[in-house]
Amino acid sequence: GAVVSQHPSWVICKSGTSVKIECRSLDFQATTMFWYRQFPKQSLMLMATSNEGSKATYEQGVEKDKFLINHASLTLSTLTVTSAHPEDSSFYICSAPRDTNQPQHFGDGTRLSIL
Amino acid sequence: DAKTTQPPSMDCAEGRAANLPCNHSTISGNEYVYWYRQIHSQGPQYIIHGLKNNETNEMASLIITEDRKSSTLTLPHATLRDTAVYYCIVRPRSGNTGKLIFGQGTTLQVKP
Repeated sequence: GAVVSQHPSWVICKSGTSVKIECRSLDFQATTMFWYRQFPKQSLMLMATSNEGSKATYEQGVEKDKFLINHASLTLSTLTVTSAHPEDSSFYICSAPRDTNQPQHFGDGTRLSIL
Repeated sequence: DAKTTQPPSMDCAEGRAANLPCNHSTISGNEYVYWYRQIHSQGPQYIIHGLKNNETNEMASLIITEDRKSSTLTLPHATLRDTAVYYCIVRPRSGNTGKLIFGQGTTLQVKP
């Protein structure tokens, strides 16, 4: 069964609104989680590393004020797309390892459509 | 940048073995080879990983060449449900942030 859960699985919003996506580890604690973005027919692009109890680490070119990440507990990380615009429409995926020696488990993704 | 090279696409007949190659000529001594696959509109699924020995699990087999510069993932009896994009990724198993850098992968089409 799934070990990493994302919510919602899809969302449609008007331009200018903010959207929050949740990523939960279901039966383990994750001090680190990862957020990816995937455009149609492209590969996954790592956006940021979410660290429990500290600031997220963003990849080059990813706007930290645009994509707010909060990792307030050992089982939950949230990604908020602020003031979303149509170009932010994408498939957002999170992942987490059970520990540093284990493969990462991925959520089923959130499809975001901004009108 | 991804450290691996894979063919963009492959076809396989249902019931036959699917052999997916991956080149990782710049792999370093502490880096493992990981394979994931992504079925359409889902998150990636872990398949297998290895360092230098051949590995097998219930899903697939992984053969890594002796010089570790390339590897092959084998699905022994491909089914239609194995149609997906397969990603080969190299990274240290531990001791770093654990982030995965995805290349373009191989789109495997299993045909009846």
